[in-house]
Formats: sequence, structure tokens, C-alpha cells
Amino acid sequence: DTGVSQDPRHKITKRGQNVTFRCDPISEHNRLYWYRQTLGQGPEFLTYFQNEAQLEKSRLLSDRFSAERPKGSFSTLEIQRTEQGDSAMYLCASSLGLAGTGPSYEQYFGPGTRLTVT
Amino acid sequence: KNQVEQSPQSLIILEGKNCTLQCNYTVSPFSNLRWYKQDTGRGPVSLTIMTFSENTKSNGRYTATLDADTKQSSLHITASQLSDSASYICVVSESGGSYIPTFGRGTSLIVHP
Repeated sequence: DTGVSQDPRHKITKRGQNVTFRCDPISEHNRLYWYRQTLGQGPEFLTYFQNEAQLEKSRLLSDRFSAERPKGSFSTLEIQRTEQGDSAMYLCASSLGLAGTGPSYEQYFGPGTRLTVT
Repeated sequence: KNQVEQSPQSLIILEGKNCTLQCNYTVSPFSNLRWYKQDTGRGPVSLTIMTFSENTKSNGRYTATLDADTKQSSLHITASQLSDSASYICVVSESGGSYIPTFGRGTSLIVHP
């Protein structure tokens, strides 16, 4: 257990429905990241927050995706009008500083939320 | 376009043997390279981080090397254990303030008894 939790762990939804995932980072970490990972692939970066500010968004994050971190603590990732291509593992990670810029700024990943769109 | 290529795609070895995984990248300008271990159905766990000036970093039985000139890295696993069975992912980040890392597809390692 890394200290990063995600809920739910699994979600099955029908195409066209909206889904929302939650991530609770390690409490003192001010950076929070969302990634998407499909089977047999490495994670793909979606977006990241510094406190409550969303600083980077990948072009993968279409207008159906929205992420928030309203109080700089937990974060939510919402997918509207889900499509079968959204089926993937959604990973959240947190770090004290910008990941990789210093030896103490390691990312800690949560266990992921596996989304299946039928 | 920034790319990270890992080889081999999959590898099967016997317990106790050593192995080496490769990572080639085109990310520029380079900031840092990280290796992660990902067990099936779980989030990745960091093994090593290396910046431009570092050419080797160890973490127990894991040793990573970096050649920034040829843009290659390797992860060497010594005296493999059954618990080493996992996917090993190489991640490279750019310098310049923008945080958009490039992940490799990973090498799937299976250690047999």
C-alpha cells in the first residue's frame, strides 16, 4: 500500500453513461497526476495538479473528460458519455514536488480504477 | 515526437538468473529517466530515478544505467526471484518546466521456478 487510494477499484458501465472516479493522495503531497493505461501498454499522462490548480492537460483529455481537485486534497476524474474506447485502467499518483525533478519527488501510484464500458 | 522504446517486449527466465532490460528514447531536452515495476492489476512502483549527470543507480538487486549520449538505459536484475515477475516500465521526462512524461510500453518479465 503506497498511501494513495482510489475508488472504486472496478467500474462497469454502459456506453453513454457518465462515470466519476476519486483519488485520495498522500496527505502532504501537493502534486497529483492522472494517467490512463490500456492492456499491454504503458500509462499515458492525462493531467496534473499542483494543489488545486490544473497545470497540464494532455491532448488525450478530450472535452468529455474533466478533472478537479477543489481543495487541493482529493481529486475526481469524470468521463461523460462514455465510449468503449474509454475502457482502461485509470491511475492516480501523487508527489511532494514535481515528479522526477529531485530524489525526494517520487510519484506514488494508487491501485487504479479499472473501467469497462459495455 | 518523443518516444520511448523498450526491449524485449517479454522475457522468461529461471529463478536465480540475471537479466537485462533495455530502454531507448528520443525525448529531448532530457530531464530524467525512471524505471518502474508494475505487478499485474496494481499501480507502478518506482525502482530508480536518474538525471543527466548520473550513469548508474542501484536499488537492491536492481541496477539501472544511463547513457545520455546514446539515449539508452538498461535495467539489470540480479539473482531473479519469483516476485520479480512483473512489467518493467521506462519513463522519460523533458526539461523545461512542462510535465508531460513519455512512458514506454514495458517489458513483461516472467520468472519460473
